[in-house]
Amino acid sequence: KQEVTQIPAALSVPEGENLVLNCSFTDSAIYNLQWFRQDPGKGLTSLLLIQSSQREQTSGRLNASLDKSSGRSTLYIAASQPGDSATYLCAVRTGANNLFFGTGTRLTVIP
Amino acid sequence: NAGVTQTPKFQVLKTGQSMTLQCAQDMNHEYMSWYRQDPGMGLRLIHYSVGAGITDQGEVPNGYNVSRSTTEDFPLRLLSAAPSQTSVYFCASSKGAGGQTGELFFGEGSRLTVL
Repeated sequence: KQEVTQIPAALSVPEGENLVLNCSFTDSAIYNLQWFRQDPGKGLTSLLLIQSSQREQTSGRLNASLDKSSGRSTLYIAASQPGDSATYLCAVRTGANNLFFGTGTRLTVIP
Repeated sequence: NAGVTQTPKFQVLKTGQSMTLQCAQDMNHEYMSWYRQDPGMGLRLIHYSVGAGITDQGEVPNGYNVSRSTTEDFPLRLLSAAPSQTSVYFCASSKGAGGQTGELFFGEGSRLTVL
């Protein structure tokens, strides 16, 4: 069974810092990997989806990379802002409805 | 642009009661699914559907039923609520599974407490 791990579980950084969130998975046979943001008491908002054939995707200050051979993905956030404070989850899809989630990294950006 | 809509947002039940969580999407997505989110356990798949009339079990299906009579709607039924079903429930949809069609969109969640 695919296992998805996100370390650290929590991270605090000062405003303006660039940061990297990590996601690792055990089985490299994936359809895609998706990064989400979850605010307290809210649903998951899709940030970026990287297809199996891609190495990275960018959206604004966010850049996600994928290295299937090593079972790793990173989410890079540039020039962090207090509004970036949230829990970030990654999910790996291995089939039609085989989607495996990490337990997330709770990010706090300190003004 | 509604996306995925879940109702109710909050519900309190007594043990043994039944209820239905509603989920509707307006994106013409074929794939729909229900997850529950519990502290420290991440999201776990309850049931899923790959199109109208087609449903299947996920990782934690016991105590739940689903049906998919239309493309838009995918209700989740709790047959006889138990305290172990206290959780936050999320409905999600995607156009397909592979490539960009696999991008998953979530509703805002339904917070259920079973006493």
